Amino acid sequence: SQTIHQWPATLVQPVGSPLSLECTVEGTSNPNLYWYRQAAGRGLQLLFYSVGIGQISSEVPQNLSASRPQDRQFILSSKKLLLSDSGFYLCAWGEKGEQPQHFGDGTRLSIL
Amino acid sequence: SQQGEEDPQALSIQEGENATMNCSYKTSINNLQWYRQNSGRGLVHLILIRSNEREKHSGRLRVTLDTSKKSSSLLITASRAADTASYFCATPRGNDMRFGAGTRLTVKP
Repeated sequence: SQTIHQWPATLVQPVGSPLSLECTVEGTSNPNLYWYRQAAGRGLQLLFYSVGIGQISSEVPQNLSASRPQDRQFILSSKKLLLSDSGFYLCAWGEKGEQPQHFGDGTRLSIL
Repeated sequence: SQQGEEDPQALSIQEGENATMNCSYKTSINNLQWYRQNSGRGLVHLILIRSNEREKHSGRLRVTLDTSKKSSSLLITASRAADTASYFCATPRGNDMRFGAGTRLTVKP
C-alpha cells in the first residue's frame, strides 16, 4: 500500500532563517506531488506541484521554492523565512488524471 | 484562487442528527471530490462523484451533484461525535486540485 511521510511535525524558526521540509512517498511510482499551505481555519492554498522529476509548477510567487530530486521526494525550501510564512504545510500525492489526493500529516511552522 | 465554496462555514448539530454541507464551483468539471480534515491533521479523501453522476453513497455519506447549478452537497446521516471535523469540496483542474474554504462540523454528544 502507498504511504506518505512528511516531517517534521512542528517547527519553530526565527525570521531570516532557512527552511527545508521534506516529503516522501512509498508504494507508487511517478506520482504527482503537491505542497499546500493552510492558514488557521482556512482552506488550502496550492503552492507547488510536480508531475515528474525536476518538473515544478509554482502557483503563487513567494518566498518559497520546491524541488523534486527523486521520483518520490518533494522538498519545500526557503533561503530566508518571513513572518508571513507561518502556517500549516501539507504535502500530498496523487495519480495522474484528476484522481484523489493523499495527504501527509502536515508540518506546523511558526516563525518568531 | 478558490474554485469550490462551501456553506455553511460552520455547522453545529447533536449526535444522531443529519448534517448537510453544500459546495458551489465556477468552471466545468470532470469530477468533484469531498475530503475530511481532523484538527491538526492532513486531509482524507471521502468520496468522488463524476460529472455524469447525480448521486453517490458511501456508508453514511451521500453526495449529490448538479452540474447545471454547479453545486454539490454532502450529507452525513446519523452523525456521531467522531464526525467532528472540517469538510472540503475539491475540483481537479488538470494536474492540480482546487479546494474550498471548508465547513467546520461540530457534533455534540
